[in-house]
Amino acid sequence: IAGITQAPTSQILAAGRRMTLRCTQDMRHNAMYWYRQDLGLGLRLIHYSNTAGTTGKGEVPDGYSVSRANTDDFPLTLASAVPSQTSVYFCASSEDRFYSTDTQYFGPGTRLTVL
Amino acid sequence: EDKVVQSPLSLVVHEGDTVTLNCSYEVTNFRSLLWYKQEKKAPTFLFMLTSSGIEKKSGRLSSILDKKELFSILNITATQTGDSAVYLCAVDSGSRLTFGEGTQLTVNP
Repeated sequence: IAGITQAPTSQILAAGRRMTLRCTQDMRHNAMYWYRQDLGLGLRLIHYSNTAGTTGKGEVPDGYSVSRANTDDFPLTLASAVPSQTSVYFCASSEDRFYSTDTQYFGPGTRLTVL
Repeated sequence: EDKVVQSPLSLVVHEGDTVTLNCSYEVTNFRSLLWYKQEKKAPTFLFMLTSSGIEKKSGRLSSILDKKELFSILNITATQTGDSAVYLCAVDSGSRLTFGEGTQLTVNP
């Protein structure tokens, strides 16, 4: 593994189903993030984690949950998917969230369609 | 509420042209401004700007920040078809990155 990986690459899901998007990084970065990207709205932060064991809400957290049991993994769960959650989801990581010179590195994205 | 606005939203040019992409922002606690290039998939980092008036340069790409007027520009000279992408501007306010909508640049041969 090099950098950030996400799985699945794409998924079609029936409304009401539960879905977990996976994200793994091998850079030993402390901070990780989940964004959704929608046409006309840009990238919006869903949840973040400053370090293993901690999580926080971003701009659009409703309907999503995250966990950070270890440094490498940051799964995003949709407990009961709705069509408005159709989007492209990007996971990102940065060495440390609190340094102004830090840069976020992005995974390849997961395209999710909720019908 | 933090806000980042990019213009134009889309731009079509011919190879060899020079383009200027704009990013203006309103944030409560500015720490840095970042430019990303997004082709088919993940955004990739281009520049981070923290100080006014200091140009960052990488090949044909350059960027500068004006913290007084609250904007940044990204210049691409002698454009190539490989420059076709969405260019994203984001502002780090300490608590999070706020992204603009992006500028879709298309460079035709």
